[in-house]
Amino acid sequence: NAGVTQTPKFRVLKTGQSMTLLCAQDMNHEYMYWYRQDPGMGLRLIHYSVGEGTTAKGEVPDGYNVSRLKKQNFLLGLESAAPSQTSVYFCASTQSILFFFGQGTRLTVV
Amino acid sequence: SQQGEEDPQALSIQEGENATMNCSYKTSINNLQWYRQNSGRGLVHLILIRSNEREKHSGRLRVTLDTSKKSSSLLITASRAADTASYFCATAREGGSNYKLTFGKGTLLTVNP
Repeated sequence: NAGVTQTPKFRVLKTGQSMTLLCAQDMNHEYMYWYRQDPGMGLRLIHYSVGEGTTAKGEVPDGYNVSRLKKQNFLLGLESAAPSQTSVYFCASTQSILFFFGQGTRLTVV
Repeated sequence: SQQGEEDPQALSIQEGENATMNCSYKTSINNLQWYRQNSGRGLVHLILIRSNEREKHSGRLRVTLDTSKKSSSLLITASRAADTASYFCATAREGGSNYKLTFGKGTLLTVNP
């Protein structure tokens, strides 16, 4: 069972470049999330979605955009990457209370 | 801001010993969960305790919840090297959605063989 799959797993971007991170889940979950994890900061919520076609801002949304055109996919976009966006990004999904996480995307912005 | 704060930030023990990690939170909650993260991997759910429960067990894990002190503890008994990981508490706020979890900063547990 795939669960939550993130692509890519690693990426290096130059400042100002754009990219999209893809999260796909095969559990038919309604709720999906994007977190970033930085040393000493724990996980911080960027954006989330409570269903297909919906998105909402989390704790640290600036510099990111998201889309949920299909229930199983949640995309995180960086329009103009900055070094401060160097981080490990995690996608998660849930149908009730328990969260399921992807393996993470390690992004470096140089 | 972070709702949960784990303590200690790092813990190093010998295999076979017990490991205790604590989590404090600020506002009333619906439930509290503990997750484990192995190095370079995603988080994995370990155990959930609801606000009307005081203690739960799952294998070698024991979780307690003290809502009056707004704190929880995770005890891992008879630790193994494979328990080496970061452990996070996550809370769902009372009156809020169970679908919005706030994570703490984590405790890094190292179990030495």
